[in-house]
Amino acid sequence: QSVLTQPPSVSATPGQRVTISCSGNNYNIGNNYVSWYQQLPGAAPKLLIYDNDKRPSGIPDRFSASKSGATATLAIAGLQTGDGADYYCGAWDSSLSAVVFGGGTKVTVL
Amino acid sequence: QLQLQESGPGLVKPSETLSLTCTVSGGSITSFTHYWGWIRQTPEKGLEWIGSIYHAGSTYYNPSLRSRVSMSVDTSENQSSLKLRSVTAADTGVYYCARNLIGSDLFDPWGQGTLVTVSS
Repeated sequence: QSVLTQPPSVSATPGQRVTISCSGNNYNIGNNYVSWYQQLPGAAPKLLIYDNDKRPSGIPDRFSASKSGATATLAIAGLQTGDGADYYCGAWDSSLSAVVFGGGTKVTVL
Repeated sequence: QLQLQESGPGLVKPSETLSLTCTVSGGSITSFTHYWGWIRQTPEKGLEWIGSIYHAGSTYYNPSLRSRVSMSVDTSENQSSLKLRSVTAADTGVYYCARNLIGSDLFDPWGQGTLVTVSS
């Protein structure tokens, strides 16, 4: 059971917008930055979003994120077949004194 | 471009010590702004942060693994190392090293990962 809670899967057709939630508490998401990672099949995770809503260079602006209270949300606009992957949220947890991750959400492009 | 590469045995016997090395290329491990982290991905727990180490030697470990973990840095070889003692089947998984911005949950980039199986 992961400290951060994500839906196991979401699916949509190409061109649609999907959102992935990541729920925590005041010890992690509520008072610390959130990062998001994309893991394509057979590959290592890749940083997608950091500091709640910032994109590293090279990440398309189709990917966006936000945070409200103890819940963070990743949005993918204009879904493409290449976006089919697992997505993970992460944050520092000041109660556990550890970096914690969500269980991951599998995005399926129909 | 900074790249990280994990290496080490792919098979470890139960109760023994898992030892892995992360070689950094395209940049220096003596960064003033980054730690060097280890994260594993297991079927049981998904992504799990193991710990991170600064080039000067300071470390911070996941409390859930602290009693079994040690990390070190070899600046002359631009490498960091991970040791996990008394392994069990639950430690089977893919082990990644990644650059870790100081004081954050930000890991970028990641190595490709190495599969470690604990089995007799």
